[in-house]
Amino acid sequence: QQQVKQSPQSLIVQKGGISIINCAYENTAFDYFPWYQQFPGKGPALLIAIRPDVSEKKEGRFTISFNKSAKQFSLHIMDSQPGDSATYFCAASMGHDMRFGAGTRLTVKP
Amino acid sequence: DAGVIQSPRHEVTEMGQEVTLRCKPISGHNSLFWYRQTMMRGLELLIYFNNNVPIDDSGMPEDRFSAKMPNASFSTLKIQPSEPRDSAVYFCASSLNDGMNTEAFFGQGTRLTVV
Repeated sequence: QQQVKQSPQSLIVQKGGISIINCAYENTAFDYFPWYQQFPGKGPALLIAIRPDVSEKKEGRFTISFNKSAKQFSLHIMDSQPGDSATYFCAASMGHDMRFGAGTRLTVKP
Repeated sequence: DAGVIQSPRHEVTEMGQEVTLRCKPISGHNSLFWYRQTMMRGLELLIYFNNNVPIDDSGMPEDRFSAKMPNASFSTLKIQPSEPRDSAVYFCASSLNDGMNTEAFFGQGTRLTVV
């Protein structure tokens, strides 16, 4: 049972453009929503995270938008750079139980 | 700190052989996770330890898989006997569980190939 659905599977963006990745979750008990970035041959690394009591969180070029009523959240990467090319995973967790989306492979073309 | 350290980075083994994956969590972290990553199923939690005690092993696929954490600085994931469908990247992650959800730090993973 896939508790976190992520889209798109892959995304190609021009340098300087905006990358948008979307996720939807099912379990309303989830209370922590991180985004992880993974480069080839590396483990996932936390990029930015949000709790459901806020609707938006911004860190530099990265913004999470959170819609609690719709059970959806998204990652926006502003001014996308070739160095942002990686696989991005959304996740939802309650306690130790963290469920990951299937991942989005982002390619930023120079 | 060097981060979460996993060994080996790559393992190729024949079907039926025993495989042991190793993990050294970040010093001071009290939670340890083993994940498996495949193209088909993505990232799956296999087992979770808190203070060296297995708390949730519901993700362990079957009895061929076992995990131990004999002390706060070492954990193993063992597959015996291994099968080709076990081929995947296995990640260990650790975090400091202070009652709130906190960042899990992942190791670089062990790429297991069972032929």
